[in-house]
Amino acid sequence: DIVMTQTPLSSPVTLGLPASMSCRSNQSLLHRNGNTYLSWLQQRPGQPPRLLIYKISNRFSGVPDRFSGSGAETDFTLKISRVEAEDVGVYYCMQATEFPRTFGQGTRLEIK
Amino acid sequence: QVHLVQSGAEVKRPGASVKVSCKASGDTINTYYMHWVRQAPGQGLEWMGLLSPTYENATYAEKFQGRVTMTGDTSSTTGYMELRSLTSEDTAIYYCAGASDQRFDYWGQGSLITVTS
Repeated sequence: DIVMTQTPLSSPVTLGLPASMSCRSNQSLLHRNGNTYLSWLQQRPGQPPRLLIYKISNRFSGVPDRFSGSGAETDFTLKISRVEAEDVGVYYCMQATEFPRTFGQGTRLEIK
Repeated sequence: QVHLVQSGAEVKRPGASVKVSCKASGDTINTYYMHWVRQAPGQGLEWMGLLSPTYENATYAEKFQGRVTMTGDTSSTTGYMELRSLTSEDTAIYYCAGASDQRFDYWGQGSLITVTS
């Protein structure tokens, strides 16, 4: 199975300032079809997960442009340009290049 | 837009089975795969398997092989996930997710399954 490792596990941030988190896989997520199936999900407290970013850097419908994704192969980053109060929650990276689908352990974003 | 509505919370005894439903609605629902993901209390996300858009084929995570069955009813566009031989370690919120192009676009609200004697 592909192992996804996220850092940091917790990220205290100040409102209005940027935030960044990392996700690393133990093997390349580049699919033989040329796509890299790395997604980022947001889970607010008490809510189901919500898709933010797919295929490394594509924002899903309705996702604010303060969220951006980057990376390649095994190293990926999610950035929030200016953190808002509604961004509090846990962020998961997920790979869909191979079965079984696997998730990182999550990065908890909290406000200082 | 796709909307997924799951069945309610249940309490089960160890050794019992549970069957969770996920009713799908939306214009293009017949093009989406239905995945099942669970989340133990205070823990992360764990993928269990998926059901094809026609509900004819299922793929399961090795961990759940032999203990899980995913099915669906095309007439009601409802998917089901049955988990057998429950233990306390199966206590979790179970989510269905509608997926296209290897991304989990839409999620159900979750179904809390509690296994307790």
